[in-house]
Amino acid sequence: AQRVTQPEKLLSVFKGAPVELKCNYSYSGSPELFWYVQYSRQRLQLLLRHISRESIKGFTADLNKGETSFHLKKPFAQEEDSAMYYCALSPSWGKLQFGAGTQVVVTP
Amino acid sequence: EPEVTQTPSHQVTQMGQEVILRCVPISNHLYFYWYRQILGQKVEFLVSFYNNEISEKSEIFDDQFSVERPDGSNFTLKIRSTKLEDSAMYFCASSEETNGAFFGQGTRLTVV
Repeated sequence: AQRVTQPEKLLSVFKGAPVELKCNYSYSGSPELFWYVQYSRQRLQLLLRHISRESIKGFTADLNKGETSFHLKKPFAQEEDSAMYYCALSPSWGKLQFGAGTQVVVTP
Repeated sequence: EPEVTQTPSHQVTQMGQEVILRCVPISNHLYFYWYRQILGQKVEFLVSFYNNEISEKSEIFDDQFSVERPDGSNFTLKIRSTKLEDSAMYFCASSEETNGAFFGQGTRLTVV
């Protein structure tokens, strides 16, 4: 069965510190993985998709098939990065299977 | 920038009543989805829709639920005979390809 695990419910970091949000998945095929972000009172927004290998708002994520991980990283956290972050797997037809989410709080 | 829009933002309904949640997907998108998030829980897939038919649905999406694209721009989720446990945030999403969806702002459904 497909599963997405985000082990941290809450991540509190200081401004300027590195931040890493963990995501592990289980999936038998070749996964399509995404990170979504939800700022306070706003909609879910697509942050990154693994196939594009791009960096958005300073965030990067590398797919590690050996460790079945897709951790999200940013070298220097900013206060505006405070949000809920969801890792998601697409097993088929655009359907997304979400992790439970990690709330990031960046304190000055 | 084009957005997925959902109406209403909040709907309160009595148990047993029917509700219709409305969505206007991004205009050139071909794939449409409904998700829901019960308070404190994960965002859960309900259904995907392509070429005027359901392409996939979850076990949550039982006979109580139906979707429709009535006029080429709207995409609706109907819940017949609502139950208390249907209270959740319902998200509509659309995508151009089967690769990364764009979400609406959600409709909070409260069943009393």
